[in-house]
Amino acid sequence: TQLLEQSPQFLSIQEGENLTVYCNSSSVFSSLQWYRQEPGEGPVLLVTVVTGGEVKKLKRLTFQFGDARKDSSLHITAAQPGDTGLYLCAGARNAGKSTFGDGTTLTVKP
Amino acid sequence: DSGVTQTPKHLITATGQRVTLRCSPRSGDLSVYWYQQSLDQGLQFLIQYYNGEERAKGNILERFSAQQFPDLHSELNLSSLELGDSALYFCASSVGSGSVNEQFFGPGTRLTVL
Repeated sequence: TQLLEQSPQFLSIQEGENLTVYCNSSSVFSSLQWYRQEPGEGPVLLVTVVTGGEVKKLKRLTFQFGDARKDSSLHITAAQPGDTGLYLCAGARNAGKSTFGDGTTLTVKP
Repeated sequence: DSGVTQTPKHLITATGQRVTLRCSPRSGDLSVYWYQQSLDQGLQFLIQYYNGEERAKGNILERFSAQQFPDLHSELNLSSLELGDSALYFCASSVGSGSVNEQFFGPGTRLTVL
Protein backbone atom coordinates (compact mmCIF):
# COMPACT_ATOMS: atom_id res chain seq x y z
CA THR A 1 0.00 0.00 0.00
CA GLN A 2 1.41 3.38 -1.00
CA LEU A 3 0.71 5.86 1.75
CA LEU A 4 0.69 9.60 1.36
CA GLU A 5 1.25 11.61 4.53
CA GLN A 6 0.16 15.21 4.61
CA SER A 7 1.36 17.75 7.15
CA PRO A 8 0.34 19.63 9.07
CA GLN A 9 -3.06 18.08 9.64
CA PHE A 10 -4.53 21.43 10.74
CA LEU A 11 -3.32 24.97 10.10
CA SER A 12 -4.90 28.19 11.30
CA ILE A 13 -3.38 31.49 10.21
CA GLN A 14 -4.21 35.18 9.82
CA GLU A 15 -5.04 36.74 6.50
CA GLY A 16 -1.90 37.90 4.71
CA GLU A 17 0.42 35.23 6.11
CA ASN A 18 2.34 32.73 4.00
CA LEU A 19 2.14 28.98 4.50
CA THR A 20 3.44 25.70 3.16
CA VAL A 21 1.82 22.28 3.39
CA TYR A 22 3.53 19.02 2.58
CA CYS A 23 2.70 15.71 0.99
CA ASN A 24 5.22 12.90 1.52
CA SER A 25 5.52 9.27 0.52
CA SER A 26 8.13 6.55 0.29
CA SER A 27 6.74 5.58 -3.11
CA VAL A 28 7.37 7.04 -6.53
CA PHE A 29 4.36 8.37 -8.39
CA SER A 30 3.84 8.98 -12.08
CA SER A 31 2.13 12.24 -11.28
CA LEU A 32 0.64 14.02 -8.32
CA GLN A 33 -2.55 16.04 -8.03
CA TRP A 34 -3.61 18.68 -5.52
CA TYR A 35 -7.29 19.26 -4.74
CA ARG A 36 -9.17 21.74 -2.56
CA GLN A 37 -12.42 20.80 -0.88
CA GLU A 38 -14.86 23.17 0.77
CA PRO A 39 -17.25 21.88 3.45
CA GLY A 40 -20.08 19.81 2.01
CA GLU A 41 -18.74 19.96 -1.54
CA GLY A 42 -16.68 17.68 -3.72
CA PRO A 43 -12.90 18.15 -4.08
CA VAL A 44 -11.84 20.37 -6.97
CA LEU A 45 -8.68 19.69 -8.93
CA LEU A 46 -6.13 22.51 -8.59
CA VAL A 47 -3.07 21.21 -10.41
CA THR A 48 -1.18 18.19 -11.71
CA VAL A 49 2.60 17.88 -11.52
CA VAL A 50 4.36 15.25 -13.55
CA THR A 51 8.10 15.87 -13.82
CA GLY A 52 10.51 15.61 -10.89
CA GLY A 53 11.43 19.11 -9.70
CA GLU A 54 8.50 20.67 -11.54
CA VAL A 55 7.10 23.92 -10.18
CA LYS A 56 3.67 25.22 -11.12
CA LYS A 57 2.05 28.47 -10.11
CA LEU A 58 -1.63 29.21 -9.85
CA LYS A 59 -2.02 32.85 -8.81
CA ARG A 60 -0.83 32.89 -5.17
CA LEU A 61 -0.40 29.12 -5.00
CA THR A 62 2.94 27.47 -5.87
CA PHE A 63 3.15 23.70 -6.25
CA GLN A 64 6.39 21.74 -6.37
CA PHE A 65 7.01 18.08 -7.16
CA GLY A 66 10.06 16.55 -5.50
CA ASP A 67 13.03 15.57 -7.63
CA ALA A 68 12.42 11.89 -6.89
CA ARG A 69 8.66 12.22 -7.48
CA LYS A 70 7.91 10.98 -3.95
CA ASP A 71 6.81 14.24 -2.34
CA SER A 72 5.23 17.58 -3.06
CA SER A 73 4.59 20.91 -1.42
CA LEU A 74 1.99 23.63 -1.74
CA HIS A 75 2.95 27.18 -0.81
CA ILE A 76 0.36 29.92 -0.48
CA THR A 77 1.46 33.54 -0.45
CA ALA A 78 -0.58 36.19 1.35
CA ALA A 79 -3.37 33.80 2.31
CA GLN A 80 -6.96 35.02 2.09
CA PRO A 81 -10.12 33.77 3.82
CA GLY A 82 -11.21 32.32 0.48
CA ASP A 83 -8.27 29.91 0.67
CA THR A 84 -9.91 28.17 3.62
CA GLY A 85 -10.59 24.51 2.95
CA LEU A 86 -9.25 20.98 2.98
CA TYR A 87 -6.21 20.51 0.75
CA LEU A 88 -5.73 16.98 -0.54
CA CYS A 89 -2.85 15.51 -2.46
CA ALA A 90 -3.16 12.36 -4.55
CA GLY A 91 -0.36 10.31 -6.02
CA ALA A 92 -1.19 8.69 -9.32
CA ARG A 93 0.15 5.49 -10.78
CA ASN A 94 -0.53 3.87 -14.10
CA ALA A 95 -3.87 2.39 -15.05
CA GLY A 96 -5.85 5.17 -13.43
CA LYS A 97 -5.03 4.36 -9.84
CA SER A 98 -4.46 7.02 -7.19
CA THR A 99 -3.75 7.23 -3.48
CA PHE A 100 -5.12 10.17 -1.51
CA GLY A 101 -3.58 11.70 1.59
CA ASP A 102 -5.75 12.57 4.60
CA GLY A 103 -5.48 16.27 3.85
CA THR A 104 -4.54 19.53 5.53
CA THR A 105 -7.39 21.61 6.90
CA LEU A 106 -6.53 25.28 6.40
CA THR A 107 -8.36 28.10 8.15
CA VAL A 108 -7.51 31.67 7.20
CA LYS A 109 -8.91 34.21 9.64
CA PRO A 110 -9.79 37.72 8.44
CA ASP B 1 -19.28 22.32 -12.61
CA SER B 2 -17.11 19.20 -12.88
CA GLY B 3 -19.44 17.44 -15.32
CA VAL B 4 -20.00 14.60 -12.85
CA THR B 5 -23.55 14.27 -11.57
CA GLN B 6 -24.75 12.46 -8.49
CA THR B 7 -28.26 11.75 -7.28
CA PRO B 8 -29.83 12.14 -4.87
CA LYS B 9 -28.16 15.07 -3.15
CA HIS B 10 -29.59 14.17 0.23
CA LEU B 11 -30.91 10.87 1.55
CA ILE B 12 -32.41 10.20 4.95
CA THR B 13 -33.27 6.65 5.89
CA ALA B 14 -33.49 4.26 8.83
CA THR B 15 -31.17 1.59 10.13
CA GLY B 16 -31.51 -1.73 8.36
CA GLN B 17 -32.68 -0.17 5.10
CA ARG B 18 -31.09 -0.31 1.65
CA VAL B 19 -30.31 2.65 -0.61
CA THR B 20 -28.87 3.20 -4.07
CA LEU B 21 -26.67 6.13 -5.01
CA ARG B 22 -26.24 7.03 -8.65
CA CYS B 23 -23.37 8.66 -10.53
CA SER B 24 -22.94 9.79 -14.13
CA PRO B 25 -19.33 10.42 -15.14
CA ARG B 26 -17.98 13.21 -17.31
CA SER B 27 -18.44 12.67 -21.01
CA GLY B 28 -15.56 10.55 -22.29
CA ASP B 29 -14.40 9.30 -18.89
CA LEU B 30 -14.30 5.52 -18.58
CA SER B 31 -13.39 5.20 -14.92
CA VAL B 32 -15.62 5.81 -11.93
CA TYR B 33 -14.50 5.92 -8.30
CA TRP B 34 -16.58 5.87 -5.12
CA TYR B 35 -15.43 7.49 -1.87
CA GLN B 36 -16.88 7.81 1.61
CA GLN B 37 -16.18 10.85 3.74
CA SER B 38 -17.31 10.94 7.36
CA LEU B 39 -17.47 14.16 9.33
CA ASP B 40 -14.14 15.97 9.45
CA GLN B 41 -12.30 13.06 7.88
CA GLY B 42 -10.45 12.47 4.65
CA LEU B 43 -11.64 10.55 1.65
CA GLN B 44 -11.92 6.79 2.10
CA PHE B 45 -11.61 5.00 -1.22
CA LEU B 46 -14.29 2.36 -1.71
CA ILE B 47 -14.10 0.99 -5.23
CA GLN B 48 -13.10 1.79 -8.83
CA TYR B 49 -14.64 0.66 -12.11
CA TYR B 50 -13.17 0.99 -15.56
CA ASN B 51 -15.37 0.53 -18.61
CA GLY B 52 -17.76 -1.73 -16.76
CA GLU B 53 -15.20 -3.85 -14.94
CA GLU B 54 -14.10 -3.64 -11.33
CA ARG B 55 -10.50 -2.40 -11.27
CA ALA B 56 -9.61 -1.70 -7.65
CA LYS B 57 -11.17 -2.23 -4.26
CA GLY B 58 -10.55 -0.24 -1.14
CA ASN B 59 -12.12 -0.41 2.29
CA ILE B 60 -15.56 -1.33 1.05
CA LEU B 61 -17.80 -3.23 3.45
CA GLU B 62 -19.45 -6.47 2.35
CA ARG B 63 -22.83 -4.73 2.87
CA PHE B 64 -21.87 -2.33 0.08
CA SER B 65 -21.71 -3.16 -3.61
CA ALA B 66 -21.35 -1.24 -6.82
CA GLN B 67 -21.55 -1.67 -10.55
CA GLN B 68 -20.88 0.27 -13.71
CA PHE B 69 -23.34 -0.07 -16.55
CA PRO B 70 -22.74 -0.15 -20.33
CA ASP B 71 -23.60 3.56 -20.57
CA LEU B 72 -20.82 4.08 -17.95
CA HIS B 73 -23.04 5.39 -15.19
CA SER B 74 -22.47 3.74 -11.84
CA GLU B 75 -24.52 2.83 -8.81
CA LEU B 76 -23.42 2.24 -5.23
CA ASN B 77 -25.74 0.04 -3.21
CA LEU B 78 -25.66 0.23 0.57
CA SER B 79 -27.64 -2.35 2.52
CA SER B 80 -28.39 -3.20 6.15
CA LEU B 81 -27.58 0.39 6.95
CA GLU B 82 -26.08 1.31 10.30
CA LEU B 83 -25.79 4.65 12.05
CA GLY B 84 -22.08 4.71 11.24
CA ASP B 85 -22.80 4.67 7.52
CA SER B 86 -23.95 8.28 7.74
CA ALA B 87 -21.49 10.20 5.60
CA LEU B 88 -20.92 12.06 2.37
CA TYR B 89 -20.49 9.72 -0.57
CA PHE B 90 -18.59 11.08 -3.55
CA CYS B 91 -18.27 9.75 -7.03
CA ALA B 92 -15.38 10.81 -9.23
CA SER B 93 -14.50 10.05 -12.81
CA SER B 94 -11.34 10.06 -14.88
CA VAL B 95 -10.09 8.92 -18.23
CA GLY B 96 -8.87 5.89 -16.30
CA SER B 97 -5.68 5.12 -18.16
CA GLY B 98 -2.20 6.54 -18.39
CA SER B 99 -0.07 8.05 -15.68
CA VAL B 100 -1.95 11.29 -15.07
CA ASN B 101 -5.03 10.30 -13.14
CA GLU B 102 -6.94 13.56 -12.77
CA GLN B 103 -10.21 12.82 -11.02
CA PHE B 104 -13.27 15.02 -11.27
CA PHE B 105 -15.66 14.82 -8.36
CA GLY B 106 -19.39 15.09 -8.22
CA PRO B 107 -21.22 17.18 -5.63
CA GLY B 108 -21.78 14.18 -3.38
CA THR B 109 -24.73 12.47 -1.73
CA ARG B 110 -25.23 13.17 1.96
CA LEU B 111 -26.59 10.03 3.59
CA THR B 112 -28.16 10.26 7.03
CA VAL B 113 -29.10 7.02 8.77
CA LEU B 114 -31.46 7.49 11.71
